[in-house]
Amino acid sequence: EVQLVESGGALVQPGRSLRLSCAASGFTFDDYAMHWVRQAPGKGLEWVSGISWNSGIIDYADSVRGRFTISRDNGKNSLYLQMNSLRTEDTALYYCVKTLTTVVPPQRSPLDYWGQGTLVTVSS
Amino acid sequence: EIVMTQSPATLSVSPGERATLSCRASQSVSSNLAWYQQKPGQAPRLLIYGASTRATGIPARFSGSGSGTEFTLTISSLQSEDFAVYYCQQYNNWPKFGPGTKVAIK
Repeated sequence: EVQLVESGGALVQPGRSLRLSCAASGFTFDDYAMHWVRQAPGKGLEWVSGISWNSGIIDYADSVRGRFTISRDNGKNSLYLQMNSLRTEDTALYYCVKTLTTVVPPQRSPLDYWGQGTLVTVSS
Repeated sequence: EIVMTQSPATLSVSPGERATLSCRASQSVSSNLAWYQQKPGQAPRLLIYGASTRATGIPARFSGSGSGTEFTLTISSLQSEDFAVYYCQQYNNWPKFGPGTKVAIK
């Protein structure tokens, strides 16, 4: 059974940093690209960042580019999101998401398994 | 940048009725279009990918159609568990989601 368990969410002040983690199990982690998707309270889904299986392809939403860094450790079956210079508008539930297919670039696959999310609240 | 739109924002339907949800892309995404269902307090669930292929375990009452810029999700006979928010998402390039359609009980 595929499991994605996010952690690291917290209440932080604007301008501070936070690192999210996602522990993956139930599938061959290093075969799949992964993504972070967020959802502000009461709002829709917003893609944040994606990374290929070997970290060779990475991209970010314009809203986080230059502040967030995605990474993965295939030896630990883990995905990370380093979040710097946090803003109030970054407040959201952050989902770790697995891609459906293995043979295409990360931007060309639907998203088939989602974790339950970890809540990041940015407030003074 | 591709912009995804969905209509209507809210669809009020009686159980057993048919629901038709629309999704439009600002430029062609070929058939690289997925639909997700999200219930309150839950993570999204993949329903349809490739515009018309049902994901594993998804009931046959869910069907998708379209290509290019115009897409439709049809729920043939709404069950109580289908009342939720539905999002479309293009994956012709880095993911972009539509704003969602809430399917509510009439």
